Amino acid sequence: DVKVTQSSRYLVKRTGEKVFLECVQDMDHENMFWYRQDPGLGLRLIYFSYDVKMKEKGDIPEGYSVSREKKERFSLILESASTNQTSMYLCASSLFLEQRPNEKLFFGSGTQLSVL
Amino acid sequence: KQEVTQIPAALSVPEGENLVLNCSFTDSAIYNLQWFRQDPGKGLTSLLLIQSSQREQTSGRLNASLDKSSGRSTLYIAASQPGDSATYLCAVSPTQGGSEKLVFGKGTKLTVNP
Repeated sequence: DVKVTQSSRYLVKRTGEKVFLECVQDMDHENMFWYRQDPGLGLRLIYFSYDVKMKEKGDIPEGYSVSREKKERFSLILESASTNQTSMYLCASSLFLEQRPNEKLFFGSGTQLSVL
Repeated sequence: KQEVTQIPAALSVPEGENLVLNCSFTDSAIYNLQWFRQDPGKGLTSLLLIQSSQREQTSGRLNASLDKSSGRSTLYIAASQPGDSATYLCAVSPTQGGSEKLVFGKGTKLTVNP
């Protein structure tokens, strides 16, 4: 089975801190994603990467950056954490869709980030 | 812009009941549709994926159907159990504007009462 591992289950940070969220997948997937999930707003895509060192902005990239130096690892960076970034952060991965159009999206267990 | 809607937002049923969850989408240009399950405070687990050329997919007590022309999908759960309590989300993979970036509904929170 595909495994997507997020480094922290819960994180508490202070306003203004630089925060790193790490995600690792073990199935050689090309695509990796970072979402945030908030009550009433659903899942929103922050950033997407389709290859090493390649990234694309999602719907809400402001205040975030990403890094993908290796295929299996995709990091989300909050440059200066703010209270409105308190949320559940979900990492996901999948194979390149147009070659394999029936590949499922696999999620990690999530990181609940609280910014105080 | 593709939009995915799930109604109702919450559903409560007694154990043993058969039930249907609904998902609608505004643009029929999709590669596939997935149904996910999310337990409280956890990530999403893909339950079923239906290709755009398919009408339905089955896994155990779950059956998902797709009517692409009308922009609708249903998830049928037979003989519901308390362990089925979770939030169920559907998502479509659009053929335009980045097929890898799924568009999600906000989910239906299902409670199965013993």
